[in-house]
Amino acid sequence: AQSVTQLDSHVSVSEGTPVLLRCNYSSSYSPSLFWYVQHPNKGLQLLLKYTSAATLVKGINGFEAEFKKSETSFHLTKPSAHMSDAAEYFCVVSDSRSGGYQKVTFGTGTKLQVIP
Amino acid sequence: DADVTQTPRNRITKTGKRIMLECSQTKGHDRMYWYRQDPGLGLRLIYYSFDVKDINKGEISDGYSVSRQAQAKFSLSLESAIPNQTALYFCATSDLYETTSGADTQYFGPGTRLTVL
Repeated sequence: AQSVTQLDSHVSVSEGTPVLLRCNYSSSYSPSLFWYVQHPNKGLQLLLKYTSAATLVKGINGFEAEFKKSETSFHLTKPSAHMSDAAEYFCVVSDSRSGGYQKVTFGTGTKLQVIP
Repeated sequence: DADVTQTPRNRITKTGKRIMLECSQTKGHDRMYWYRQDPGLGLRLIYYSFDVKDINKGEISDGYSVSRQAQAKFSLSLESAIPNQTALYFCATSDLYETTSGADTQYFGPGTRLTVL
């Protein structure tokens, strides 16, 4: 079985303060994990991905995420929020079996609001 | 990302009409996907295709059909549209051999907003 839970549907932060978007997963296989961002009226853009290399993954625009197997978590963080970070963020888990279809499961999304 | 394009970007139609959504990609990827996005539900897979001759149902394929006309083109059809098919539809592509880890990274088009009245 494979699932992903984004613990907050909405997060509101002030500009310049840290961002934490929480994601927990379950997977029967060694998972690959992704964070995507969706700005209004746009498609999904890859922020970062974990594929069994370093557990701390750095992405674009200053975001990073840490894979914690013991906690089955892959939380997204950023030290200082910018107005342009306001968007919806999706945590995604994929089983990393080689070959064939790798089942991909999307979280339900977290909307990030940045207050000036 | 202009590498994956979707047409139309917006469409309003009536119940019972046949609708086709088109997706084209210039990334040279062999794998293509169709998803729908509904508020609070994330993205759900409708169909996926690993190459022109390989098409597979996703988790919510009822009421939809697809056609892979070429490596670069993947169309989604609603044979007889109904109001609960009102959603945002995304096409995505991936290339298994892009990474040595074997993890598919998917690249998304800008989406098609479909409204069925």
